[in-house]
Amino acid sequence: DAGVIQSPRHEVTEMGQEVTLRCKPISGHDYLFWYRQTMMRGLELLIYFNNNVPIDDSGMPEDRFSAKMPNASFSTLKIQPSEPRDSAVYFCASSSYRGSLGGYTFGSGTRLTVV
Amino acid sequence: GQQLNQSPQSMFIQEGEDVSMNCTSSSIFNTWLWYKQDPGEGPVLLIALYKAGELTSNGRLTAQFGITRKDSFLNISASIPSDVGIYFCAGQNYGGSQGNLIFGKGTKLSVKP
Repeated sequence: DAGVIQSPRHEVTEMGQEVTLRCKPISGHDYLFWYRQTMMRGLELLIYFNNNVPIDDSGMPEDRFSAKMPNASFSTLKIQPSEPRDSAVYFCASSSYRGSLGGYTFGSGTRLTVV
Repeated sequence: GQQLNQSPQSMFIQEGEDVSMNCTSSSIFNTWLWYKQDPGEGPVLLIALYKAGELTSNGRLTAQFGITRKDSFLNISASIPSDVGIYFCAGQNYGGSQGNLIFGKGTKLSVKP
Protein backbone atom coordinates (compact mmCIF):
# COMPACT_ATOMS: atom_id res chain seq x y z
CA ASP A 1 0.00 0.00 0.00
CA ALA A 2 1.63 3.24 -1.17
CA GLY A 3 -0.37 5.39 1.23
CA VAL A 4 -1.86 8.75 0.36
CA ILE A 5 0.20 10.38 -2.36
CA GLN A 6 0.37 14.13 -2.76
CA SER A 7 2.09 16.23 -5.38
CA PRO A 8 3.99 18.40 -5.62
CA ARG A 9 5.85 18.23 -2.27
CA HIS A 10 6.85 21.87 -2.57
CA GLU A 11 5.39 24.69 -4.62
CA VAL A 12 6.63 28.25 -4.87
CA THR A 13 4.50 30.60 -6.90
CA GLU A 14 3.97 34.27 -7.43
CA MET A 15 0.96 36.08 -6.09
CA GLY A 16 -1.90 35.98 -8.55
CA GLN A 17 -0.91 32.68 -10.14
CA GLU A 18 -3.09 29.60 -10.16
CA VAL A 19 -1.95 26.71 -7.98
CA THR A 20 -3.16 23.12 -8.25
CA LEU A 21 -2.44 20.55 -5.57
CA ARG A 22 -3.02 16.88 -6.26
CA CYS A 23 -3.91 13.86 -4.16
CA LYS A 24 -4.27 10.14 -4.71
CA PRO A 25 -6.07 8.48 -1.77
CA ILE A 26 -5.56 4.94 -0.58
CA SER A 27 -7.38 2.49 -2.82
CA GLY A 28 -10.69 1.48 -1.27
CA HIS A 29 -11.00 4.51 0.97
CA ASP A 30 -14.26 6.29 0.31
CA TYR A 31 -13.56 9.49 2.28
CA LEU A 32 -11.06 12.14 1.23
CA PHE A 33 -10.15 15.23 3.22
CA TRP A 34 -8.17 18.37 2.48
CA TYR A 35 -6.50 20.11 5.44
CA ARG A 36 -4.39 23.23 5.73
CA GLN A 37 -1.73 23.58 8.42
CA THR A 38 -0.29 26.88 9.63
CA MET A 39 1.54 27.86 12.80
CA MET A 40 -1.23 30.23 13.81
CA ARG A 41 -4.28 28.10 13.15
CA GLY A 42 -2.97 24.53 13.30
CA LEU A 43 -4.74 21.90 11.21
CA GLU A 44 -7.91 23.18 9.57
CA LEU A 45 -10.33 21.06 7.57
CA LEU A 46 -11.05 22.72 4.23
CA ILE A 47 -13.36 20.21 2.54
CA TYR A 48 -14.16 16.53 2.50
CA PHE A 49 -15.62 14.11 -0.02
CA ASN A 50 -17.53 10.86 0.36
CA ASN A 51 -17.65 8.60 -2.68
CA ASN A 52 -16.30 11.48 -4.79
CA VAL A 53 -19.09 13.84 -3.72
CA PRO A 54 -18.24 16.99 -1.73
CA ILE A 55 -20.00 16.75 1.62
CA ASP A 56 -18.80 19.75 3.60
CA ASP A 57 -16.87 22.67 2.12
CA SER A 58 -17.57 25.10 4.94
CA GLY A 59 -13.85 25.27 5.74
CA MET A 60 -12.87 26.57 2.32
CA PRO A 61 -11.65 30.09 3.09
CA GLU A 62 -13.12 31.85 0.07
CA ASP A 63 -14.13 31.52 -3.53
CA ARG A 64 -10.51 31.49 -4.65
CA PHE A 65 -10.35 27.92 -3.35
CA SER A 66 -11.99 25.03 -5.16
CA ALA A 67 -11.68 21.26 -4.91
CA LYS A 68 -12.74 18.43 -7.17
CA MET A 69 -12.76 14.68 -7.05
CA PRO A 70 -13.46 13.41 -10.57
CA ASN A 71 -12.95 9.77 -9.57
CA ALA A 72 -12.16 7.58 -6.57
CA SER A 73 -8.42 7.79 -7.09
CA PHE A 74 -7.79 11.46 -7.65
CA SER A 75 -8.57 14.85 -6.14
CA THR A 76 -7.35 18.38 -6.73
CA LEU A 77 -7.33 21.53 -4.65
CA LYS A 78 -7.02 24.69 -6.71
CA ILE A 79 -6.28 28.24 -5.60
CA GLN A 80 -6.90 30.97 -8.14
CA PRO A 81 -5.60 33.60 -7.75
CA SER A 82 -3.11 32.74 -5.03
CA GLU A 83 -2.16 35.22 -2.31
CA PRO A 84 0.76 35.29 0.17
CA ARG A 85 -1.60 34.46 3.04
CA ASP A 86 -2.32 31.12 1.35
CA SER A 87 1.22 30.01 2.20
CA ALA A 88 0.85 26.87 4.32
CA VAL A 89 1.23 23.11 4.23
CA TYR A 90 -1.75 21.44 2.60
CA PHE A 91 -2.52 17.86 3.55
CA CYS A 92 -4.76 15.33 1.91
CA ALA A 93 -6.08 12.43 4.01
CA SER A 94 -8.30 9.47 3.32
CA SER A 95 -10.24 6.97 5.38
CA SER A 96 -12.60 4.10 5.15
CA TYR A 97 -15.57 4.50 7.44
CA ARG A 98 -16.32 0.83 7.35
CA GLY A 99 -12.73 -0.29 7.48
CA SER A 100 -11.75 1.31 10.73
CA LEU A 101 -13.50 3.58 13.13
CA GLY A 102 -11.74 6.85 13.39
CA GLY A 103 -8.31 7.73 12.13
CA TYR A 104 -7.34 9.18 8.81
CA THR A 105 -4.23 8.37 6.78
CA PHE A 106 -2.46 11.56 5.80
CA GLY A 107 -0.22 12.24 2.85
CA SER A 108 3.15 13.93 3.26
CA GLY A 109 1.70 17.30 2.37
CA THR A 110 2.41 20.07 -0.13
CA ARG A 111 4.30 23.05 1.23
CA LEU A 112 2.98 26.09 -0.65
CA THR A 113 4.82 29.39 -0.65
CA VAL A 114 3.21 32.34 -2.39
CA VAL A 115 5.58 35.28 -2.88
CA GLY B 1 -17.63 25.21 16.84
CA GLN B 2 -15.89 22.57 18.90
CA GLN B 3 -12.37 23.38 20.00
CA LEU B 4 -9.67 21.35 21.67
CA ASN B 5 -7.19 22.80 24.13
CA GLN B 6 -3.95 20.88 24.06
CA SER B 7 -1.18 21.37 26.58
CA PRO B 8 1.61 21.96 26.95
CA GLN B 9 2.41 23.74 23.69
CA SER B 10 6.00 22.54 23.84
CA MET B 11 8.25 20.40 25.99
CA PHE B 12 12.01 20.10 26.27
CA ILE B 13 13.05 16.95 28.06
CA GLN B 14 16.05 14.76 28.64
CA GLU B 15 16.28 11.36 26.99
CA GLY B 16 14.89 8.72 29.33
CA GLU B 17 12.33 10.99 30.98
CA ASP B 18 8.61 10.32 30.88
CA VAL B 19 6.29 12.72 29.03
CA SER B 20 2.69 13.62 29.67
CA MET B 21 0.39 15.78 27.57
CA ASN B 22 -3.35 16.29 27.57
CA CYS B 23 -6.27 17.58 25.65
CA THR B 24 -9.55 19.06 26.88
CA SER B 25 -12.75 20.05 25.15
CA SER B 26 -15.82 22.05 26.05
CA SER B 27 -17.98 19.35 24.49
CA ILE B 28 -17.95 15.57 24.40
CA PHE B 29 -16.48 13.30 21.79
CA ASN B 30 -17.18 9.66 20.96
CA THR B 31 -13.63 9.00 19.87
CA TRP B 32 -10.27 10.42 20.86
CA LEU B 33 -7.20 9.99 18.70
CA TRP B 34 -3.53 10.81 19.10
CA TYR B 35 -1.28 11.55 16.13
CA LYS B 36 2.41 12.25 15.75
CA GLN B 37 3.86 14.45 13.03
CA ASP B 38 7.51 14.16 12.10
CA PRO B 39 9.17 17.15 10.42
CA GLY B 40 8.20 17.39 6.77
CA GLU B 41 5.61 14.63 7.00
CA GLY B 42 1.91 14.27 7.62
CA PRO B 43 0.42 13.21 10.97
CA VAL B 44 0.46 9.50 11.68
CA LEU B 45 -2.10 7.82 13.92
CA LEU B 46 -0.61 6.50 17.20
CA ILE B 47 -3.57 5.48 19.32
CA ALA B 48 -7.36 5.52 18.95
CA LEU B 49 -9.74 5.46 21.94
CA TYR B 50 -13.41 4.59 21.56
CA LYS B 51 -14.85 4.27 25.06
CA ALA B 52 -14.97 6.60 28.05
CA GLY B 53 -12.42 5.43 30.62
CA GLU B 54 -10.53 3.33 28.09
CA LEU B 55 -6.80 3.02 28.65
CA THR B 56 -4.78 1.86 25.65
CA SER B 57 -1.07 1.26 25.16
CA ASN B 58 1.09 1.14 22.07
CA GLY B 59 4.63 0.27 23.10
CA ARG B 60 5.92 3.08 25.30
CA LEU B 61 2.81 5.14 24.62
CA THR B 62 -0.27 5.06 26.81
CA ALA B 63 -3.42 7.07 26.24
CA GLN B 64 -6.67 7.39 28.14
CA PHE B 65 -10.16 8.50 27.19
CA GLY B 66 -11.50 10.64 30.04
CA ILE B 67 -14.60 9.53 31.91
CA THR B 68 -16.38 12.78 31.08
CA ARG B 69 -15.58 12.22 27.37
CA LYS B 70 -14.23 15.77 27.32
CA ASP B 71 -10.57 14.99 27.78
CA SER B 72 -7.74 12.63 26.98
CA PHE B 73 -4.10 12.30 27.88
CA LEU B 74 -1.04 10.73 26.30
CA ASN B 75 1.98 9.47 28.20
CA ILE B 76 5.32 8.49 26.71
CA SER B 77 7.62 6.52 28.95
CA ALA B 78 11.42 6.49 28.78
CA SER B 79 11.64 8.99 25.91
CA ILE B 80 14.18 8.50 23.13
CA PRO B 81 15.46 10.96 20.49
CA SER B 82 13.10 9.61 17.78
CA ASP B 83 10.13 10.69 19.90
CA VAL B 84 10.84 14.23 18.70
CA GLY B 85 7.93 15.70 16.77
CA ILE B 86 4.55 17.32 17.18
CA TYR B 87 1.82 15.33 18.92
CA PHE B 88 -1.79 16.13 18.09
CA CYS B 89 -4.93 15.08 19.84
CA ALA B 90 -8.11 14.83 17.82
CA GLY B 91 -11.72 14.32 18.77
CA GLN B 92 -14.38 12.80 16.60
CA ASN B 93 -18.11 12.19 16.75
CA TYR B 94 -20.05 9.76 14.66
CA GLY B 95 -23.54 10.53 13.57
CA GLY B 96 -25.35 9.32 10.50
CA SER B 97 -22.23 9.94 8.43
CA GLN B 98 -18.53 10.25 8.93
CA GLY B 99 -17.73 12.77 11.62
CA ASN B 100 -14.97 15.27 11.15
CA LEU B 101 -11.80 15.12 13.19
CA ILE B 102 -11.24 18.22 15.30
CA PHE B 103 -7.53 18.69 16.01
CA GLY B 104 -5.74 20.31 18.90
CA LYS B 105 -2.93 22.77 18.17
CA GLY B 106 -0.27 20.22 19.02
CA THR B 107 2.48 19.65 21.58
CA LYS B 108 5.98 20.03 20.22
CA LEU B 109 8.35 17.59 21.88
CA SER B 110 12.10 18.05 21.92
CA VAL B 111 14.35 15.38 23.43
CA LYS B 112 17.94 16.06 24.46
CA PRO B 113 20.20 13.03 24.12
